[in-house]
Amino acid sequence: KAGVTQTPRYLIKTRGQQVTLSCSPISGHRSVSWYQQTPGQGLQFLFEYFSETQRNKGNFPGRFSGRQFSNSRSEMNVSTLELGDSALYLCASSLAVGRVTDTQYFGPGTRLTVL
Amino acid sequence: AQSVTQPDIHITVSEGASLELRCNYSYGATPYLFWYVQSPGQGLQLLLKYFSGDTLVQGIKGFEAEFKRSQSSFNLRKPSVHWSDAAEYFCAVGAGNQFYFGTGTSLTVIP
Repeated sequence: KAGVTQTPRYLIKTRGQQVTLSCSPISGHRSVSWYQQTPGQGLQFLFEYFSETQRNKGNFPGRFSGRQFSNSRSEMNVSTLELGDSALYLCASSLAVGRVTDTQYFGPGTRLTVL
Repeated sequence: AQSVTQPDIHITVSEGASLELRCNYSYGATPYLFWYVQSPGQGLQLLLKYFSGDTLVQGIKGFEAEFKRSQSSFNLRKPSVHWSDAAEYFCAVGAGNQFYFGTGTSLTVIP
């Protein structure tokens, strides 16, 4: 089975621009979660999608949004980029939503640099 | 509020030496506990998890962890470290319907 894939792997943007990141979960997984990873902060939960609906949300501003398609693929969008948005964005897939007993499988991440 | 603390930002050990990475959590109920490893350029890989039962859990790659409720700890151990274990290690708590991660411990292995 193919693992979680994320595209692009690297991205450079300037302040004020917007960006869209993509995540394809493991086949059969319907839940997709997004995390922001920065040095010193670890992984911060952004949101979780299941059946095309946002089910859980972390404490991030409205500039961060996402969506999920019928094939479970998910996209994350960040508008009006700020320098502090520079981070590794990780996507994780699992079978069901909101079940912390389900193993999460992580993709390699998208490294976003905001100049 | 739930939180996970990994007190050691960076640890250096010699190959063949034993390893212990510390993790403390704050959560009112019985937590679900996890350890992940992240190699450079890779996503996180689950090493082991604890839900209930035996407080000493075995994971992949020769790692084990012990849950100590009285100390709110879930420390990761390995008796003999290999150079390929150099990576970043994250402890996580599953609480409610979310995961909460520590800030990670970076492990360097000296030949």
